[in-house]
Amino acid sequence: DTEVTQTPKHLVMGMTNKKSLKCEQHMGHRAMYWYKQKAKKPPELMFVYSYEKLSINESVPSRFSPECPNSSLLNLHLHALQPEDSALYLCASSRRGGRASDEQFFGPGTRLTVL
Amino acid sequence: DQQVKQNSPSLSVQEGRISILNCDYTNSMFDYFLWYKKYPAEGPTFLISISSIKDKNEDGRFTVFLNKSAKHLSLHIVPSQPGDSAVYFCAATDSWGKLQFGAGTQVVVTP
Repeated sequence: DTEVTQTPKHLVMGMTNKKSLKCEQHMGHRAMYWYKQKAKKPPELMFVYSYEKLSINESVPSRFSPECPNSSLLNLHLHALQPEDSALYLCASSRRGGRASDEQFFGPGTRLTVL
Repeated sequence: DQQVKQNSPSLSVQEGRISILNCDYTNSMFDYFLWYKKYPAEGPTFLISISSIKDKNEDGRFTVFLNKSAKHLSLHIVPSQPGDSAVYFCAATDSWGKLQFGAGTQVVVTP
């Protein structure tokens, strides 16, 4: 299994809602990542988990809250988002993280719209 | 500040011909470079990579060239096929493995 899965595929939420994005991989990877991609822009790193510990937080607002319950799962909890947070949210995983040559495998993304 | 730059937002090439995609970077600490391909509604897919100690890496129809002194890399696809139509992202990492992407180049392969 060389797949990273993400649910849901699409999500529409209001600014007062609380929702969660989910990401799962069964490749035995120990590093997992959240990226945000706006239209016609490159993916931008948000968070990195390595061995279930948060190792990088790219100064992301606290309305985004990541969680790594185990080595296969990565969640992104959303609360009080703004319309400008509408984007494609991509999850990725890699074998260990912390190495330049550690190839990242990406999921298909969740298309989030905040009304 | 964009440290990885792809200055051509789009490229149109005829089927069977060579596609050449270019990428420039500014951070001399980058030591690994990757190309990803992305179709609409899918996540990026790893294509090919090159370490900073090499100047060329080849995998089938795909070849990546690295010119460290010029801080420039390129991806050659030959021969181009219709299925190659996608957005191609250049990316670079430092020793930690934190990926930085370029803005992408939309490739369209015409019959």
